[in-house]
Amino acid sequence: GESVGLHLPTLSVQEGDNSIINCAYSNSASDYFIWYKQESGKGPQFIIDIRSNMDKRQGQRVTVLLNKTVKHLSLQIAATQPGDSAVYFCAENYIDKDSGGGADGLTFGKGTHLIIQP
Amino acid sequence: EAGVTQFPSHSVIEKGQTVTLRCDPISGHDNLYWYRRVMGKEIKFLLHFVKESKQDESGMPNNRFLAERTGGTYSTLKVQPAELEDSGVYFCASSQERQGMNEKLFFGSGTQLSVL
Repeated sequence: GESVGLHLPTLSVQEGDNSIINCAYSNSASDYFIWYKQESGKGPQFIIDIRSNMDKRQGQRVTVLLNKTVKHLSLQIAATQPGDSAVYFCAENYIDKDSGGGADGLTFGKGTHLIIQP
Repeated sequence: EAGVTQFPSHSVIEKGQTVTLRCDPISGHDNLYWYRRVMGKEIKFLLHFVKESKQDESGMPNNRFLAERTGGTYSTLKVQPAELEDSGVYFCASSQERQGMNEKLFFGSGTQLSVL
């Protein structure tokens, strides 16, 4: 499978600690954001999403924060576990206010390799 | 329920040869997407099908790439002739709802293409 961790920013945290992964986006028209997790040999897996009318959304052990002023998105993972080791990608899209649909393709960030130390 | 499946998982070919990648989306998903990740770079959108129709193919790199989705079920992506810069991982994704409307994309595991 793909060696997903090569040439990527790396974040190393101790098991049980909280981790924060950051993402900057450039398109001010983007109003829908998603975090994906990619484990080695697998495709990206949806974690959590957030729309621009919110600044925070919580899931199970994960929280996404959105700061539209500085075009910044973050993913917080609480009490990290070995299974959280993966590459995390942010992705953005915009929602057409007339049709309600989005652009056809998501724009992905470069990804961050999260390593959980035992 | 089976997820998105892609075949082959790996392909190693020589420059100038032809390769065809296949994607079987989740049953009932009208939307099918192809994405590509070249080593060390971002995952990039290639094209989007709605059923058998190409909705957007603005991400296709050039005319050496041809995607089809006959019958609106599985899709193929053919690269002919392959060049060195085509190497990367090709992902397929499918969804039921229109992207941006609380839609979740389900990705396959990808095809690792190596052009030598």
